[in-house]
Amino acid sequence: AQSVTQLGSHVSVSEGALVLLRCNYSSSVPPYLFWYVQYPNQGLQLLLKYTSAATLVKGINGFEAEFKKSETSFHLTKPSAHMSDAAEYFCAVIPISGGYQKVTFGTGTKLQVIP
Amino acid sequence: ETGVTQSPTHLIKTRGQQVTLRCSSQSGHNTVSWYQQALGQGPQFIFQYYREEENGRGNFPPRFSGLQFPNYSSELNVNALELDDSALYLCASSLDRGSSLNTEAFFGQGTRLTVV
Repeated sequence: AQSVTQLGSHVSVSEGALVLLRCNYSSSVPPYLFWYVQYPNQGLQLLLKYTSAATLVKGINGFEAEFKKSETSFHLTKPSAHMSDAAEYFCAVIPISGGYQKVTFGTGTKLQVIP
Repeated sequence: ETGVTQSPTHLIKTRGQQVTLRCSSQSGHNTVSWYQQALGQGPQFIFQYYREEENGRGNFPPRFSGLQFPNYSSELNVNALELDDSALYLCASSLDRGSSLNTEAFFGQGTRLTVV
């Protein structure tokens, strides 16, 4: 069975500082990996996804994530935080053999950006 | 804006009642998935519909049921509501069942259901 762990339910960074949100997966076979962002009272928006092509994935809004098989990790980073990045971020996994009906989401990390 | 709309945005129901939530898919999308997001949790997959047929179901009891219509809009029905059903319910539409993960799923803004 697959699972995903997001370390830190709340992360605070200063505006302009590096953003690092952690995601580790547990799966016997490396899955497909996703990062979504959720603004208050909104649905989920896809930031980026890893589907076994390049291990460094660039997404929207300046975010990127690196798939590291040896560490079973897919951490999300952004070099310089903006106030507009304040939101909740979800890591998700889908097994290679499945579609969106087999998705597992993490519990989310709320990002606070301090002026 | 994703083009996926859900109604209503907020709803309050009494324990034991039934509720119907609605989702209008993005134009041209034939697949819709429903998720339950409890407070402080990530979304959990309820079920998926592809061309009006159920195409996968998560770990939810039968009192959670759904429909997809010929225009690919969808309903989520929950019978015998329990307090633990209080959550944000999200739907997502995609062009296919997601077997090709080059296909993105687009989420609506959700319906906030409160059961009292």
